[in-house]
Amino acid sequence: AQSVSQHNHHVILSEAASLELGCNYSYGGTVNLFWYVQYPGQHLQLLLKYFSGDPLVKGIKGFEAEFIKSKFSFNLRKPSVQWSDTAEYFCAVTDSWGKFQFGAGTQVVVTP
Amino acid sequence: DGGITQSPKYLFRKEGQNVTLSCEQNLNHDAMYWYRQDPGQGLRLIYYSQIVNDFQKGDIAEGYSVSREKKESFPLTVTSAQKNPTAFYLCASSMNGGTEQFFGPGTRLTVL
Repeated sequence: AQSVSQHNHHVILSEAASLELGCNYSYGGTVNLFWYVQYPGQHLQLLLKYFSGDPLVKGIKGFEAEFIKSKFSFNLRKPSVQWSDTAEYFCAVTDSWGKFQFGAGTQVVVTP
Repeated sequence: DGGITQSPKYLFRKEGQNVTLSCEQNLNHDAMYWYRQDPGQGLRLIYYSQIVNDFQKGDIAEGYSVSREKKESFPLTVTSAQKNPTAFYLCASSMNGGTEQFFGPGTRLTVL
């Protein structure tokens, strides 16, 4: 069975700091990879996705993620965070059968 | 307005009662999903359906049931057999299995 592991449950950082959230998955076949964000009081929304091609993908709001197949990783990055990036971030994996697996989430708090 | 609606936003039930959560989408998506979100555990898949009149169990299907009689609707019943039903329930849909999911606003169920 596939699984998704997010390295940190809580991250606190100051505005303008760089952010990197780790995500590792275990699955032997072809996968699609996603990062979702849940801002306080809002729906889950897609930040970015990787299906194939360039392993460095860019998403909304200045986020990017790098797929490293040999490490089964899909880490999320942002060079300079803002207070509005305070949210919970979820990594997700789906196989060709369409069954999604989400990580436990990382709560990010950006202080002014 | 295209999207996913879940109703109600808050739901209270007495222990031992079955309760049905509504999920409707007008995105013409084939696949629909139900998740349960608990603090520190991320999203856990309850059931998913890739096509009308067909659905599969997710990771935590025990105590839940679903139906998919129409493409746009995927109601979830939380039965009295579910040992810990108090949670936040999220419905999602996608064009087909494996593509990005769109999420509804969620229903917070409290069993008293």
